[in-house]
Amino acid sequence: GAGVSQTPSNKVTEKGKYVELRCDPISGHTALYWYRQSLGQGPEFLIYFQGTGAADDSGLPNDRFFAVRPEGSVSTLKIQRTERGDSAVYLCASSSISGGELFFGEGSRLTVL
Amino acid sequence: DQQVKQNSPSLSVQEGRISILNCDYTNSMFDYFLWYKKYPAEGPTFLISISSIKDKNEDGRFTVFLNKSAKHLSLHIVPSQPGDSAVYFCAASVATSEKLVFGQGTRLTINP
Repeated sequence: GAGVSQTPSNKVTEKGKYVELRCDPISGHTALYWYRQSLGQGPEFLIYFQGTGAADDSGLPNDRFFAVRPEGSVSTLKIQRTERGDSAVYLCASSSISGGELFFGEGSRLTVL
Repeated sequence: DQQVKQNSPSLSVQEGRISILNCDYTNSMFDYFLWYKKYPAEGPTFLISISSIKDKNEDGRFTVFLNKSAKHLSLHIVPSQPGDSAVYFCAASVATSEKLVFGQGTRLTINP
């Protein structure tokens, strides 16, 4: 498809486990963003990539969260030692230029039991 | 600290009437404001934006008003249609940052 693709769409894991969430942006989009949306809240910024580098990771809540974008296209958000409070929908967005319109994926719903 | 607030969790409007969604912000450094619309099981989609140098921006049935002195913006939809039923998020950013700060959202229901 032509839009932002996120996998898995749903992930259920146990507390303490490691999780990876994948984002495939729109082809040619150089800017990529991760947001987290908890129940009843708006999306909350996590990290922004311009190309391969993380230009702003100020939203990552702690060192259990890490994201990579090694070839400037697909990005993976990695969460170590998951906690119940990590349960949320993780949204990825991409943009053709910095400051341009964001196109969001459908999100990956993470549930930590 | 909630820098962008949407104080109405839900709003119900008759089809054909005007829908007005409100948003307040606290950070005076914000200079760009956006509205996103979200259907269930989909990601948010961009609707309309406004720069702080303007006080109004219009796109078809959608108009956004910005009152900088009151740190308040609103989205007007007229006439409202059933397909407008969705959750609406306002968001704000500072020119030097790529980070968008979102409000909690308002669920709009358009009744036929």
